[in-house]
Amino acid sequence: EAQVTQNPRYLITVTGKKLTVTCSQNMNHEYMSWYRQDPGLGLRQIYYSMNVEVTDKGDVPEGYKVSRKEKRNFPLILESPSPNQTSLYFCASSSYRDRSYEQYFGPGTRLTVT
Amino acid sequence: GNSVTQMEGPVTLSEEAFLTINCTYTATGYPSLFWYVQYPGEGLQLLLKATKADDKGSNKGFEATYRKETTSFHLEKGSVQVSDSAVYFCALSVPPYGQNFVFGPGTRLSVLP
Repeated sequence: EAQVTQNPRYLITVTGKKLTVTCSQNMNHEYMSWYRQDPGLGLRQIYYSMNVEVTDKGDVPEGYKVSRKEKRNFPLILESPSPNQTSLYFCASSSYRDRSYEQYFGPGTRLTVT
Repeated sequence: GNSVTQMEGPVTLSEEAFLTINCTYTATGYPSLFWYVQYPGEGLQLLLKATKADDKGSNKGFEATYRKETTSFHLEKGSVQVSDSAVYFCALSVPPYGQNFVFGPGTRLSVLP
């Protein structure tokens, strides 16, 4: 089954404790992206990657890191989480279909930083 | 820059009522337009899309028409069901990096039996 998977689905942590949220896709997509979703703000892009070893900042990159060593994986790293990073996070990958790109989303990771 | 504006929610309707969720956009270049739906506890799923002016996207009884003259892409459904309760996001992507999407804030729809 074609899918984007994220782990963990839920995470509660404390300020300053480094964490990684994994994302993997099995559709051989070149483009992957991370978003955060906050009430009233919709989805905001954190980082994206056009291909292996090619990453770039989105709209809200502060406090996050990413890496793209393999095509299928795109982990999101919070080196020193803070309470304002409490949010719902989505990973997505993208393919070209029917004259446009379409994004496929993972199930989300709900992160709480205390 | 590129942006998407949606009507504020929540929207509450009775089953079989008519639904309209307004969406307008600003974009540099010629965007593709999308509606995504997020059911409780799940990620976003593509509902429908349109890639050029006057195109109509449709799926599961939902429709939206790409109106370039009014920069709009309003979502409509003639008769909503309880199972349509979800959050709906309007979005666009613009060349040359069509993979980069801009999303609206989302509109929560609740359908009552």
